[in-house]
Amino acid sequence: ETVMTQSPASLSMSPGERATLSCRASQNVNSNLAWYQQKPGQAPRLLIYGASTRATDIPARFSGSGSGTEFTLTISSLQSEDLAVYYCQQYGNWPLTFGGGTKVEIK
Amino acid sequence: QVQLQESGPGLVKPSETLSLTCTVSGGSISSYFWGWIRQPPGKGLEYIGFISHSHSESPNYNPSLKGRVTMSLDTSENQFSLKLNSVTAADTAVYYCAGTRLWLSWSYWGQGALVTVSS
Repeated sequence: ETVMTQSPASLSMSPGERATLSCRASQNVNSNLAWYQQKPGQAPRLLIYGASTRATDIPARFSGSGSGTEFTLTISSLQSEDLAVYYCQQYGNWPLTFGGGTKVEIK
Repeated sequence: QVQLQESGPGLVKPSETLSLTCTVSGGSISSYFWGWIRQPPGKGLEYIGFISHSHSESPNYNPSLKGRVTMSLDTSENQFSLKLNSVTAADTAVYYCAGTRLWLSWSYWGQGALVTVSS
């Protein structure tokens, strides 16, 4: 199966700072990559699909890039409500697989 | 706006079958892809399987579940279901149903149903 590795496991940043989250696939998934945000006690929410397309109603401060095996989620100006765990998920190969998550904390 | 709601027993005995149903409102079950994803307490997300109206005869399941999974659609009730047999404590998790019109990136999620496997 395609193993998804996310880094860092956690990061702590101040409001207004730029956060960069990475996701690496063990094999080529083309642009079949999604990012999700999961706040405490809630279901995940789709942020990005197709590696770089924002889902409906997602703020412009969230952006995705990459293709093949290397992907990045950028939060351009961190807000307090962005406290969450972020997961990447590939859907280019079977079975679908998720990364282990990056926990974003706000200082 | 599509909304999903999981229902089913919150406690299942080891070796028995876990059964969950997801009720869809705000959209036709025939028009989307539907999936099940689980999350053990304090851990990450695991794909269980997906089904759609066009794939109802051949749903896709995660091989890691070793043939224990069955998914089905009920178009008359606008529901889809999950059955996982021969459960063990390792199957204790929050089970989410999810849906999408985008190929397998999940736009809509239920609130999640905690299922505990214990005698």
